[in-house]
Amino acid sequence: KQEVTQIPAALSVPEGENLVLNCSFTDSAIYNLQWFRQDPGKGLTSLLLIQSSQREQTSGRLNASLDKSSGRSTLYIAASQPGDSATYLCAPPGDKLIFGTGTRLQVFP
Amino acid sequence: DAGVTQSPTHLIKTRGQHVTLRCSPISGHKSVSWYQQVLGQGPQFIFQYYEKEERGRGNFPDRFSARQFPNYSSELNVNALLLGDSALYLCASSFSATNEKLFFGSGTQLSVL
Repeated sequence: KQEVTQIPAALSVPEGENLVLNCSFTDSAIYNLQWFRQDPGKGLTSLLLIQSSQREQTSGRLNASLDKSSGRSTLYIAASQPGDSATYLCAPPGDKLIFGTGTRLQVFP
Repeated sequence: DAGVTQSPTHLIKTRGQHVTLRCSPISGHKSVSWYQQVLGQGPQFIFQYYEKEERGRGNFPDRFSARQFPNYSSELNVNALLLGDSALYLCASSFSATNEKLFFGSGTQLSVL
């Protein structure tokens, strides 16, 4: 049974800092992993999809890596901004998308 | 192209009532999944439908049911509502059944009084 854990659970930083969000999963038999952003009371917005053959994916200030052997994925946010404040969720796509509880990020000016 | 659309956006019901939530996937997407998200937690998988067939079911009671129509839109039905059913209900679509990028709607906020 897939279990997903995200660390830290919450993070509060001044703008401009480079951030690292961690995601670990128990079942490494996955094809890829997707990172999402969720604003309060809203749906999930897809940020990045990393395929296992790629191991890394970049979009603007975001970079995500995937290490299936260790069951980990990392989301890097460079030069954080107040607009990055949201909850970040990771999940390996599959028959049943299993989410962790996410990392709640607050970036203050 | 329109994204995943859900209706209604907000809903207030009382205990014991029935509710129907609707979802229209992105055009061309054949898979629809439903999730329940309680405040402060990650989304929990309820159902997946692909090509109008149920493909997966999460750990939810039989009060929860769903179906997918020939145009790939979907309905989630919940009978005999309980206070604990209050949550944000999310719908997601993808082209195929597995390992594809998921696109989520904005959700339906259900409050059970």
